[in-house]
Amino acid sequence: QKEVEQDPGPLSVPEGAIVSLNCTYSNSAFQYFMWYRQYSRKGPELLMYTYSSGNKEDGRFTAQVDKSSKYISLFIRDSQPSDSATYLCAMSRLNQAGTALIFGKGTTLSVSS
Amino acid sequence: EAQVTQNPRYLITVTGKKLTVTCSQNMNHEYMSWYRQDPGLGLRQIYYSMNVEVTDKGDVPEGYKVSRKEKRNFPLILESPSPNQTSLYFCASSPRPTGTGELFFGEGSRLTVL
Repeated sequence: QKEVEQDPGPLSVPEGAIVSLNCTYSNSAFQYFMWYRQYSRKGPELLMYTYSSGNKEDGRFTAQVDKSSKYISLFIRDSQPSDSATYLCAMSRLNQAGTALIFGKGTTLSVSS
Repeated sequence: EAQVTQNPRYLITVTGKKLTVTCSQNMNHEYMSWYRQDPGLGLRQIYYSMNVEVTDKGDVPEGYKVSRKEKRNFPLILESPSPNQTSLYFCASSPRPTGTGELFFGEGSRLTVL
């Protein structure tokens, strides 16, 4: 079983839809959970960052972590065409020096106007 | 502007011809890292550095070298490139020494080895 699993999509939604992106993981030692957004021909940029379990909201974006199920989600409300990108989940272990983040393979999202 | 700068952005080379991809960050970060991104495989770490003169292997270090002589620079060296090193490469830096926090990525260097 891979450490981090993410459905690659593609996911196509109309403007205004609620989008749900998900990752599952196998290593219970993961403590830091992140979502990165990557536009075409650009480097990934951090979107959301959470430590341990719970929810975090930032504008139209909500990140959820369920450590008991080893499942993380990113919700996008009122999706916009500018949200069209690849979304990468990432996670790392507490006090794991150096090797940093384990990334999912990314889900490609397309929001049509 | 805070940024990670990579050069070149695009490069086509031939098997065996040594090349260097430069990376520079202006955020005074101690941690820097190189990733490669391939379709179906995602982002995989090649090498990382937690400080000047401190480097270590990531998940896919074979065929690559790095050096960290200055805090701001972290070049990736391909001594004898092969076609399986054709990929999109990203340099990243982090304000956390362990690299467990936010990573700031460069815009990528697309390398083709013929």
